[in-house]
Amino acid sequence: AQKVTQTQTSISVVEKTTVTMDCVYETRDSSYFLFWYKQTASGEIVFLIRQDSYKKENATVGHYSLNFQKPKSSIGLIITATQIEDSAVYFCAMREPNTGYQNFYFGKGTSLTVIP
Amino acid sequence: ETAVFQTPNYHVTQVGNEVSFNCKQTLGHDTMYWYKQDSKKLLKIMFSYNNKQLIVNETVPRRFSPQSSDKAHLNLRIKSVEPEDSAVYLCASSHRGGRDTQYFGPGTRLLVL
Repeated sequence: AQKVTQTQTSISVVEKTTVTMDCVYETRDSSYFLFWYKQTASGEIVFLIRQDSYKKENATVGHYSLNFQKPKSSIGLIITATQIEDSAVYFCAMREPNTGYQNFYFGKGTSLTVIP
Repeated sequence: ETAVFQTPNYHVTQVGNEVSFNCKQTLGHDTMYWYKQDSKKLLKIMFSYNNKQLIVNETVPRRFSPQSSDKAHLNLRIKSVEPEDSAVYLCASSHRGGRDTQYFGPGTRLLVL
C-alpha cells in the first residue's frame, strides 16, 4: 500500500501566483516527520521544508509553507509568489522513526510548471 | 554545496556486463541509501546501510548489491545488467532516525543497450 500519495501528476500556474500541492500519508506512529523535496531539471534533489507531527504550527521557509492537517493525514505544500525557477518536480516524503527502518517513504511527485 | 558525491555521472553499457557506481558523503552521516528513479520519476528505495546493518528492499533483484568500506561510502554493484536497469541511481545520506532530512547526490544515469 502506498504510504505517501500525491494525486496531482502535474500543475501549471502563472508566474507570481500561489500554488498548493497536495499530499496525504498513512502511518500508525504517533510521532513522524514530513518532508518536501524539489527535483530540478538537472536531476538534483534538494530538501525544502519539514513538518514535525507533534508541532501544531505550520512550517514556513522563505516562500514555501505547509498546510498540515493532522486529522486528515494531509501535508500540503504552498508556494507563494511563484517564479519561473520553481518549475520542477516536487516530492512529499514521510519518515517514521520508530519502525526500525531507515527508510523514507516518497510520493510519486507532482510536476510544477510556472508560466511567464 | 554538494556534500554527497557520485561517480560516474553517466554510464553506457551492454546487457550482461557488470557495473559499479560510487557514492561518498562528507556530512558525517551514519546512514546511506540507494534509490532507483525510473523515467516516470518514481523513486524506489533499494538499500539502506547503517552501522554495518544492511536493509534490503525485497523487490530488488539479487544482481544488485551494495558495498561499503566505511560509513562515508556506499557503492552499488550490478552484477549482470538488464535493459530494465536503465535508470538514474541516486545515493543519499542522513543521520539515523529522527527528524533529519536526507541529502541526495547528483545521481548516476545508467543506459543499458
